[in-house]
Amino acid sequence: EAQVTQNPRYLITVTGKKLTVTCSQNMNHEYMSWYRQDPGLGLRQIYYSMNVEVTDKGDVPEGYKVSRKEKRNFPLILESPSPNQTSLYFCASSPVLAGGADTQYFGPGTRLTVL
Amino acid sequence: QKEVEQNSGPLSVPEGAIASLNCTYSDRGSQSFFWYRQYSGKSPELIMSIYSNGDKEDGRFTAQLNKASQYVSLLIRDSQPSDSATYLCAVGKNYGQNFVFGPGTRLSVLP
Repeated sequence: EAQVTQNPRYLITVTGKKLTVTCSQNMNHEYMSWYRQDPGLGLRQIYYSMNVEVTDKGDVPEGYKVSRKEKRNFPLILESPSPNQTSLYFCASSPVLAGGADTQYFGPGTRLTVL
Repeated sequence: QKEVEQNSGPLSVPEGAIASLNCTYSDRGSQSFFWYRQYSGKSPELIMSIYSNGDKEDGRFTAQLNKASQYVSLLIRDSQPSDSATYLCAVGKNYGQNFVFGPGTRLSVLP
């Protein structure tokens, strides 16, 4: 089954404790992206990757890191989480058509709470 | 002004009616436009994509794009209770690398 998986699905942590949220896709998509979703603000792009070893900042990258060492994986790293990073996080992947991403397929989401 | 705005909800329509969802965007350089549906507690899923001015129809759904007015809309004909969800407008920028989503419009279709 074609899918985007995220782990963990739920996470409660404390301020300053480094964490990683994994994202994996089995559709051989070049493009992957991370979003956070907050009430009233919609989905906001954190980082994206056009291909292996190619990453760039989205609209809200502060406090986050990513890496793209393999095509299928795109982990999101919070080196020192803070309470304002409490949110619902979505990973998405997309084929690249005519040089750009197109339809994005979203993972199930990771609900993160930072105390 | 937000970069992508949508009509505030919630929007309620009776079953069988036409639901009209609107979206405006501020960046004239935007190249691609998408409507996603998100059920409560679920992840967004694509309904329609549109790239050129005019209408695009897929079943009960019609997307309309007017780049001069920086406006994109989604019409849902013969609305069903199963259409009750939040609808997200997304705009692609920077040749399909960046995506900006609107805050969403919650639609309720009443039986």
